Amino acid sequence: GAVVSQHPSRVICKSGTSVKIECRSLDFQATTMFWYRQFPKQSLMLMATSNEGSKATYEQGVEKDKFLINHASLTLSTLTVTSAHPEDSSFYICSARDTTDYEQYFGPGTRLTVT
Amino acid sequence: GQNIDQPTEMTATEGAIVQINCTYQTSGFNGLFWYQQHAGEAPTFLSYNVLDGLEEKGRFSSFLSRSKGYSYLLLKELQMKDSASYLCAVISNDYKLSFGAGTTVTVRA
Repeated sequence: GAVVSQHPSRVICKSGTSVKIECRSLDFQATTMFWYRQFPKQSLMLMATSNEGSKATYEQGVEKDKFLINHASLTLSTLTVTSAHPEDSSFYICSARDTTDYEQYFGPGTRLTVT
Repeated sequence: GQNIDQPTEMTATEGAIVQINCTYQTSGFNGLFWYQQHAGEAPTFLSYNVLDGLEEKGRFSSFLSRSKGYSYLLLKELQMKDSASYLCAVISNDYKLSFGAGTTVTVRA
C-alpha cells in the first residue's frame, strides 16, 4: 500500500513554456501533499504544502505565481511550472500524507530539463 | 528554523559497518526519519524514531537522543547495493519534513 505516482517521469521543454506535473496517491487519500525540488548533489528542499480544497502554502523564496499548485482532490495534486527557465531544471518530487501518521510517501520524481 | 547536519561523504568496505551521524536543532519536533536515495530516484523510507533509543530493522538500525538532538543510522554487513545517499529528516509540528544535505556512502569491494 501507500503508493504515490508522478507523471511525467521526465520532461524536456523550451524556455518560456509551461509544464504540468501530476502527483497521485493510488491507494490512499492524501489530505496533504508536499512538493520538493532537488538540484544535483543537494538535498530535497520543500517548495510548498498542498491541502485538498485549499490554497497551497509556499516556502520562503518560492514564487507562487511561477509554481502553481492545485490540489483538486484527495488523490491528485498538480504542480505547473510557468514560463520555465533553464534554472528551473531540477528533480521535482512530490510526497503525500494521509491522516493516520507522520510518514510521507514519496513519488518517483520528475526530471525537468528546460532548454 | 531547522538546522540539520550530517557528514557529506563516507566510504566503507563491503561487509563492514558504517555509522552516519545526524545532529539537529529544530523548532518543533515530531520525529526523525532516515531515507535512502539512489541517484535519480526518490527517497525510500528506512526508519522513523520519535522516542529515545535504538530501533533495529534487519541490517539497518537507527538511534535517537532527543535531549542531545542527535541520531545515527547504522548500516551493518554492507553490500555494494548500499552505495547511496542517506538523508536525515526531521518532521515538525506542521508535518513538514526538513532534510539534511545527505551523506553519500560508497561501498568498496
